[in-house]
Amino acid sequence: SAVISQKPSRDICQRGTSLTIQCQVDSQVTMMFWYRQQPGQSLTLIATANQGSEATYESGFVIDKFPISRPNLTFSTLTVSNMSPEDSSIYLCSVGTGSISAYTFGSGTRLTVV
Amino acid sequence: DAKTTQPNSMESNEEEPVHLPCNHSTISGTDYIHWYRQLPSQGPEYVIHGLTSNVNNRMASLAIAEDRKSSTLILHRATLRDAAVYYCILRDYRTGAGYALNFGKGTSLLVTP
Repeated sequence: SAVISQKPSRDICQRGTSLTIQCQVDSQVTMMFWYRQQPGQSLTLIATANQGSEATYESGFVIDKFPISRPNLTFSTLTVSNMSPEDSSIYLCSVGTGSISAYTFGSGTRLTVV
Repeated sequence: DAKTTQPNSMESNEEEPVHLPCNHSTISGTDYIHWYRQLPSQGPEYVIHGLTSNVNNRMASLAIAEDRKSSTLILHRATLRDAAVYYCILRDYRTGAGYALNFGKGTSLLVTP
């Protein structure tokens, strides 16, 4: 299965600033996903980022707040813009290879907004 | 919205079998049932998946009801390392984006020595 490197692993940011999270995969993958996990909660899908097309955002998430780049088949970034304390969460990158069982997750970025 | 229902938490003694139930009454004929688990401070990891027949792998077994409206993840001998949140998932298809895992609340499994 694919191996994901997600950076940074954690950060503390001031409100009103932006943070870009990087997701690097050790193999080419078709589907990449970004999730948010609020404290004590389950994972919520933010968007799907497939190479060569615009990201597809879930209800409640907008591109202006969470812009995503997918420049190639091994890399993606998620930016959390104009942060507020409510954005404090763990953000996780995930990839799918098309095989039904092959969804792999990064270890996440723990974001605290103060 | 998540299409599965699981108990919020379960507890097991170490080295005993654990049966984690999941209801998915709205499952379609082509939906696979997926199980992932999330260990503390880690991203989710794949456990097992199945369609109709019971499935076994080195981590667990998956028992699927004949009507496919429920399933049970079986850990044959729980260890302390199995303490995690277990998610039963039916994938969602996103137009133009493919299939994504849609996480429900999951079951938090506590394993005691």
